[in-house]
Amino acid sequence: QSALTQPASVSGSPGQPITISCTGTSSDVGNYNLVSWYQQHPGKVPKLIIYEVNKRPSGVSDRFSGSKSGNTASLTISGLQAEDEADYYCCSYAGFSYVFGAGTKVTVL
Amino acid sequence: EVQLVESGGGLAKPGGSLRLSCAASGSTFSNAWMSWVRQAPGKGLEWVGRIKSNTDGGTTDYAAPVKGRFTISRDDSRNTLYLQMNSLKTEDTAVYYCAMYSGGNWLPHFDYWGQGTLVTVSS
Repeated sequence: QSALTQPASVSGSPGQPITISCTGTSSDVGNYNLVSWYQQHPGKVPKLIIYEVNKRPSGVSDRFSGSKSGNTASLTISGLQAEDEADYYCCSYAGFSYVFGAGTKVTVL
Repeated sequence: EVQLVESGGGLAKPGGSLRLSCAASGSTFSNAWMSWVRQAPGKGLEWVGRIKSNTDGGTTDYAAPVKGRFTISRDDSRNTLYLQMNSLKTEDTAVYYCAMYSGGNWLPHFDYWGQGTLVTVSS
């Protein structure tokens, strides 16, 4: 199972929106509405921010939203804030396994 | 509140073995499907494997790089998850996290993670 494809880095100014793409195949992203996104600050544990493509866990800011079209899922952060600077990973269920993206480093300019 | 605490990490030689543990509290561990996820230094997350609850058969699935070398097991009486790692390779060096879905009887995503334990494989 190959890793999902994410851009290595995305940057934006405070208040701007950014979008991170996550491209898989018809065996994972395209076949299941079980895409999740995780935020990881340096030295910290990954935190679930989006599950089942577009649902937010309790306590996660509504500035985070998710979507999916075909084999590509996306995470949008609207109104970028300094504390959003972190690594972001997508993950998809793939039958009897799970596959993560390589991660995207978000930089707030 | 669910808490997951890993232990057992350390230094091992190539070809050696190590067993990791993950102690769970604050949830119905016996109903939970559990996973191990690892992260090599400076790299991304990689799913290692999963074990279903015993009520759902207790079966396991593994990622290709560890299949045949790693074994996941659980002891519901101790609320503990295990990862037995044999025939270790230098590329197994990583922080190992246990992770779970708190809703039970399924594992659509990982909403709780342990703090991780570092495994270093080096001669």
